[in-house]
Amino acid sequence: SQQGEEDPQALSIQEGENATMNCSYKTSINNLQWYRQNSGRGLVHLILIRSNEREKHSGRLRVTLDTSKKSSSLLITASRAADTASYFCATARTTQTLNAGGTSYGKLTFGQGTILTVHP
Amino acid sequence: DAGVIQSPRHEVTEMGQEVTLRCKPISGHNSLFWYRQTMMRGLELLIYFNNNVPIDDSGMPEDRFSAKMPNASFSTLKIQPSEPRDSAVYFCASSAGQSLPKTQYFGPGTRLLVL
Repeated sequence: SQQGEEDPQALSIQEGENATMNCSYKTSINNLQWYRQNSGRGLVHLILIRSNEREKHSGRLRVTLDTSKKSSSLLITASRAADTASYFCATARTTQTLNAGGTSYGKLTFGQGTILTVHP
Repeated sequence: DAGVIQSPRHEVTEMGQEVTLRCKPISGHNSLFWYRQTMMRGLELLIYFNNNVPIDDSGMPEDRFSAKMPNASFSTLKIQPSEPRDSAVYFCASSAGQSLPKTQYFGPGTRLLVL
């Protein structure tokens, strides 16, 4: 099953309003990432927040992480019609350690996504 | 940089046929990931490679699926024989580094329809 679960599943707002999407996860993580997917396109990385960080900003994006609650939120301020897309959180954790050198490997596990519609 | 390149972009085939999806990762990236996206199951990791070596193939649905990475600039995902339930969008992604999952760069995807 997917590690991350987004809430809400769909969000519809007017241009200029703020959009908040939430993500909950179950196990410990190394970092958490948010991605955006426009219809019919691949995913595009938006922002990465490490497990020892609580908040991060990038332009109109603000991400928070609460490891005690195993949750994260993505806030898009002053939304635009062009922000219409699906937004996914992805939890990153080391999955295995191989070889004598202790090299570890990890992977991302994506949630189901939030479909954001911004009306002009 | 051209980004991750996938081919074909669309594939329509009949049940039982072999399907081969191709991916060229971003130059210099040493991790490559194959994902499958459907409405029902969302985005699922099928397999990932590091330095051309398969690290985790636990997401590969069954023996009909196989993936190879013969060199750092090319990977294939093969389905043989294909079934209608394999219809999905298949994404390839690449990233730099091997420890602690880093930012992944996705290709445009291959939309597969098996009739």
